[in-house]
Amino acid sequence: QSALTQPASVSGSPGQSITISCTGTSSDVGGYNYVSWYQQHTGKAPKPIIYDVTNRPSGVSNRFSGSKSGNTASLTISGLQAEDEADYYCSSYRTGDALVFGGGTKLTVL
Amino acid sequence: QLQLQESGPGLVKPSETLSLTCIVSGDSVSSRGYYWGWVRQPPGKGLEWIGTGSGHYNPSLKSRVTISVDTSKNQFSLKLSSVTAADTAVYYCAKILFWFREIDYWGQGTLVTVSS
Repeated sequence: QSALTQPASVSGSPGQSITISCTGTSSDVGGYNYVSWYQQHTGKAPKPIIYDVTNRPSGVSNRFSGSKSGNTASLTISGLQAEDEADYYCSSYRTGDALVFGGGTKLTVL
Repeated sequence: QLQLQESGPGLVKPSETLSLTCIVSGDSVSSRGYYWGWVRQPPGKGLEWIGTGSGHYNPSLKSRVTISVDTSKNQFSLKLSSVTAADTAVYYCAKILFWFREIDYWGQGTLVTVSS
């Protein structure tokens, strides 16, 4: 099954904001409000940071926010910090009871 | 606090069956409202959903995957048959909310290498 489309890399300076896009189709991102985002530091398991497009799990910084327009979901990180440097993955429910991930985006904090 | 721990061989020969178990503590595999499933990540690559113990499978892997839930031992298992080098990956067990809304708990992951 084809993955959701994310940029391979993004970068930003401390204090700035960045946005990572996640593009799918009407069978996944566009059709359901079941998009989630995960942060993965090197050698670690992914950590959920957004679910149901816009919701943050307990304990996740409010510097992380999610949104969706049409078939594209977005993750915005404001007030970039060095500790935000990681890989970020989106995922979505797909018609037919399936889960699909994005290819991942490497965030570099300059 | 829920904890998930993968266990199983770290090395599997090509054409054989990969078998992993996820031991669940702090919750019951019989609880409702979520699935127990598996995700993998080849070295240096992205995440790939494998399937759940409730019968949902990645179409690209469906013919080779079996995921079962053992309520008596509070654990669930993955079997992937006819493996090749392309199946070399870190395998994560996970708790997944209904509608795949969120994978809210992940195991630490275990590297399985397919090699003769």
